[in-house]
Amino acid sequence: GQSLEQPSEVTAVEGAIVQINCTYQTSGFYGLSWYQQHDGGAPTFLSYNALDGLEETGRFSSFLSRSDSYGYLLLQELQMKDSASYFCAVRDRGGRGTYKYIFGTGTRLKVLA
Amino acid sequence: ETGVTQTPRHLVMGMTNKKSLKCEQHLGHNAMYWYKQSAKKPLELMFVYNFKEQTENNSVPSRFSPECPNSSHLFLHLHTLQPEDSALYLCASSQEPTASYGYTFGSGTRLTVV
Repeated sequence: GQSLEQPSEVTAVEGAIVQINCTYQTSGFYGLSWYQQHDGGAPTFLSYNALDGLEETGRFSSFLSRSDSYGYLLLQELQMKDSASYFCAVRDRGGRGTYKYIFGTGTRLKVLA
Repeated sequence: ETGVTQTPRHLVMGMTNKKSLKCEQHLGHNAMYWYKQSAKKPLELMFVYNFKEQTENNSVPSRFSPECPNSSHLFLHLHTLQPEDSALYLCASSQEPTASYGYTFGSGTRLTVV
């Protein structure tokens, strides 16, 4: 079967650093993405890692280790507006030569003042 | 209008009703998707369309019927639904096979089946 595991909830204070882990077990793997979703909103794309290593985009960084089937999203200098759900998603082969994303259950991040 | 637009935002329907969800993307993307989001469950991929052709049907019950008349529009026709079908239905689009920009999602249709 296919599965992606994430912690269900993480709490941190403003200004802190938080890491959200994702381990995956999928039939195929072409890359790992992260999405953010605020309550009542649409998921928005944050990052994509196809190769091992760390990708940095402003306050957010994403890491991938393909040999460990593991990745994480690192959020620095947390702000209240970062309170949201964060999903990891594996890019896998779809039908007829296309691709698709398989999503994890999501991690709800609460940022406290 | 920009991005991915879904209508209606909220829908309440009886189990014997027939309704349709609409999705429109203004990004020039070539692929569109339907996902189902239920509480405490992963986003579940339902259907994938690439250049108007269906390339994925993730074992979705036939009471859900997708339609993609062109690369910009995607519909999900609903009939004889069950209460467990109540969920947030999300549409997304992407430019395949470019992976670097991910999917652009709409805000979803919150469906309640009574």
